[in-house]
Amino acid sequence: EDKVVQSPLSLVVHEGDTVTLNCSYEVTNFRSLLWYKQEKKAPTFLFMLTSSGIEKKSGRLSSILDKKELFSILNITATQTGDSAVYLCAGPLEYGNKLVFGAGTILRVKS
Amino acid sequence: DVKVTQSSRYLVKRTGEKVFLECVQDMDHENMFWYRQDPGLGLRLIYFSYDVKMKEKGDIPEGYSVSREKKERFSLILESASTNQTSMYLCASSLNRDPRRSQPQHFGDGTRLSIL
Repeated sequence: EDKVVQSPLSLVVHEGDTVTLNCSYEVTNFRSLLWYKQEKKAPTFLFMLTSSGIEKKSGRLSSILDKKELFSILNITATQTGDSAVYLCAGPLEYGNKLVFGAGTILRVKS
Repeated sequence: DVKVTQSSRYLVKRTGEKVFLECVQDMDHENMFWYRQDPGLGLRLIYFSYDVKMKEKGDIPEGYSVSREKKERFSLILESASTNQTSMYLCASSLNRDPRRSQPQHFGDGTRLSIL
């Protein structure tokens, strides 16, 4: 059964800290892994990773994929209160662009 | 810019009512999806559609049906609402079903539905 597992389930840090969020997956015929950020409303797309070892970066956020070990990490440096959100990891299933989501990591950044 | 619009942010209905949740996308996407999101369970797929009048069951279709009469609109129907269907419902769309291409899904803001 295809599944995506995220850890930790929740995390509280102080502004300025660096955090690492983890995502492991078992997806048949893996093609890519996606990260989303969800504040109070819609999940917003952050990254799509298809190649192992190539870091994707957007400002203070970066992510990398390890296809051999079947996991990905999302790093956030110099965290700000605006980074407080649920971070979701997802992998497309083979057929039809369906996604299987992890349960999410709840990040709270305290000022 | 990608836009997925859900008709209501908050909705309160009574047990046994027939409930319609509407979703419209303006990107000419072929794929549309309905999820529900519950604490600790993440997003779970209810139904999805690859094309007009096409629909397929997701992981938790029981108690729900869908309708896609036009490409841009995908409706979720709760045939007879029950309290265990109280949840956040999210609609999403993605470009096309080409399995060779990985594509992100774009989400609406969600409808928080309470069944009393």
